[in-house]
Amino acid sequence: QVQLQESGPGLVRPSETLSLTCTVSNGSVSSGSHFWNWIRQVPGKGLEWIGYVYYAGGSDSSPSLKSRVAISVATSKNQFSLKLTSVTAADTAVYFCARAGVDIWNALDIWGQGKLVTVSS
Amino acid sequence: DIQMTQSPSSLSASVGDRVTITCRASQSISRYLNWYQQKPGRAPELLIYAASTLQSGVPSRFSGTRSGTEFTLTISGLQPEDFATYYCQQSHTTPRTFGPGTKVEIK
Repeated sequence: QVQLQESGPGLVRPSETLSLTCTVSNGSVSSGSHFWNWIRQVPGKGLEWIGYVYYAGGSDSSPSLKSRVAISVATSKNQFSLKLTSVTAADTAVYFCARAGVDIWNALDIWGQGKLVTVSS
Repeated sequence: DIQMTQSPSSLSASVGDRVTITCRASQSISRYLNWYQQKPGRAPELLIYAASTLQSGVPSRFSGTRSGTEFTLTISGLQPEDFATYYCQQSHTTPRTFGPGTKVEIK
């Protein structure tokens, strides 16, 4: 069973860069049938799609975050990563990584457990 | 961006009840509509993709339908483990967008 696991700092200072990594186990980030996504959820609120990356390096992200987001893939490490620059308290959220399958109409079928990131000085 | 709305935002139901949640897209998304269940402190889990296809391992009491840009999730015979928040999501166009969620609570 494919598993995803987020890792990275749980506390980030305002104006700094949030960096998270998602490690893929029992599967390959080089799969041509999947997109690798980041989603976040402010505690007690709904889900917000941040963006995705494809194994060949192509990516897309939400227009509301595009100027601050970079999503990349490291096939040799079987990982993909999120960088969010110039963070504020509004970026405090649980960050999930998730796999989307082309053969299941781009649905998100495998999720990491989530990583709470707090932006505070 | 494609806007997703859900109704109701919350509902109270009893074990054994039939529950229906509606999701509407602001424009055509074909069948690119997915339903997720989320329990407190947990990641969402995929229930249904392509509007009506049950994800492997999901009980058959969950079902989905489509009528144009209106989609419904039905739980036929609510079970104790079904009390959770349900989200719809369109995967037709980026940015992928989620509905605001429907919280199903115990009556």
